[in-house]
Amino acid sequence: GQSLEQPSEVTAVEGAIVQINCTYQTSGFYGLSWYQQHDGGAPTFLSYNGLDGLEETGRFSSFLSRSDSYGYLLLQELQMKDSASYFCAVRDPNQGGKLIFGQGTELSVKP
Amino acid sequence: DTEVTQTPKHLVMGMTNKKSLKCEQHMGHRAMYWYKQKAKKPPELMFVYSYEKLSINESVPSRFSPECPNSSLLNLHLHALQPEDSALYLCASSQEAYTGELFFGEGSRLTVL
Repeated sequence: GQSLEQPSEVTAVEGAIVQINCTYQTSGFYGLSWYQQHDGGAPTFLSYNGLDGLEETGRFSSFLSRSDSYGYLLLQELQMKDSASYFCAVRDPNQGGKLIFGQGTELSVKP
Repeated sequence: DTEVTQTPKHLVMGMTNKKSLKCEQHMGHRAMYWYKQKAKKPPELMFVYSYEKLSINESVPSRFSPECPNSSLLNLHLHALQPEDSALYLCASSQEAYTGELFFGEGSRLTVL
């Protein structure tokens, strides 16, 4: 089968650092993407890792270890506006190349 | 222009109605997608168009009928829907099919009575 596992909820305070993990089990793998979705809004692309290692974009970083089928999204200097759902997604070439989403992690940032 | 625009934003329809959802992008993307999203759930892929041809149909019931009139437009025709089809319908586009970066529209929130 194929599955992506991520925590359902994470709570943190403003200014803190939070890490959202994603482990995947898919028949094939092209890369790991992360999306942010605010309540009532559209999913917004955050990052993509095709190769092992860390990708940094401002306050957000994403990491991938293909040998461990594992990745994470790191959010630094948390702000209230970071409260949202975060989805990891894997593109599986053995599933017609479609993007397979995890169930999402709801991040709540408290003052 | 980095937007995907969808209309209408909200739609209420009866089970015997016929309606259409529309999506437009002007980023020169060659792939366009329809996703369905229920509350607190991830987007579920329905259809993928690549170079205006249907490349993936995720076994979606025939009461949903996609159409890609040209490379910038994507429609979803709705007919004889069920109340369980009520959801947020998201359109997305990407440079090419099968990339990791999709641009989503704000969605059309559909309620079927």
